Amino acid sequence: EGQLVESGGGLVQRGGSLRLSCAASGFNFRNSWMTWVRQAPGKGLEWVANIKEDGSERYYADSLKGRFAISRDNAENSLGLQIHSLTDDDTAVYYCARGKGWTDYWGRGTLVTVSS
Amino acid sequence: EIVMTQSPATLSVSPGERATLSCRASQSISSRLAWYQQKPGQAPRLLIYDASTRATGIPARFSGSGSGTEFTLTIGSLQSEDFAVYYCFHYSTGPPYTFGQGTKVDIK
Repeated sequence: EGQLVESGGGLVQRGGSLRLSCAASGFNFRNSWMTWVRQAPGKGLEWVANIKEDGSERYYADSLKGRFAISRDNAENSLGLQIHSLTDDDTAVYYCARGKGWTDYWGRGTLVTVSS
Repeated sequence: EIVMTQSPATLSVSPGERATLSCRASQSISSRLAWYQQKPGQAPRLLIYDASTRATGIPARFSGSGSGTEFTLTIGSLQSEDFAVYYCFHYSTGPPYTFGQGTKVDIK
């Protein structure tokens, strides 16, 4: 059974940057597309980005392009998400998940809170 | 961007009854639709993909149907553990992909 564990969340200043990580185990990470999804407090799910197995293709939600950067390290079984110029609207739980479209394994999420 | 619209926003159902949730896409997405269940404080759980294929370990009381722009998730006989929020999600013509806004199934 696959496992995903996110880290790197916390309280960050408006306008700052943050890097989230996701550690994968229990499945063949290097052969899996990976995805980030976020959820603002009390709101619905928002698809953020995904990345191909070898990192050669990366896609982002239209509204987030330019500020978000997804990455992966297949040697470390690790997925990353860099966020720049944080705004209040970026306050959310960030989940990593396995898959390109539908996603079967999900982590528990890491909470990012943007504050002045 | 394809917009996914779910209805109703809230569905009140008694245990043992059937629940029918709807999801509409703003343009045809073939059968490239998934359904997720989310309980408070938990990550989403994949129920259905490709519109009608149950994910591993999902009980048979969950079924999905539809294609093109109209989709349905049916829960055959609601159990106490089924009260949750349900999201549809398209993965057609893209990425980017989008979720519906969710349907909350609560106890009548």
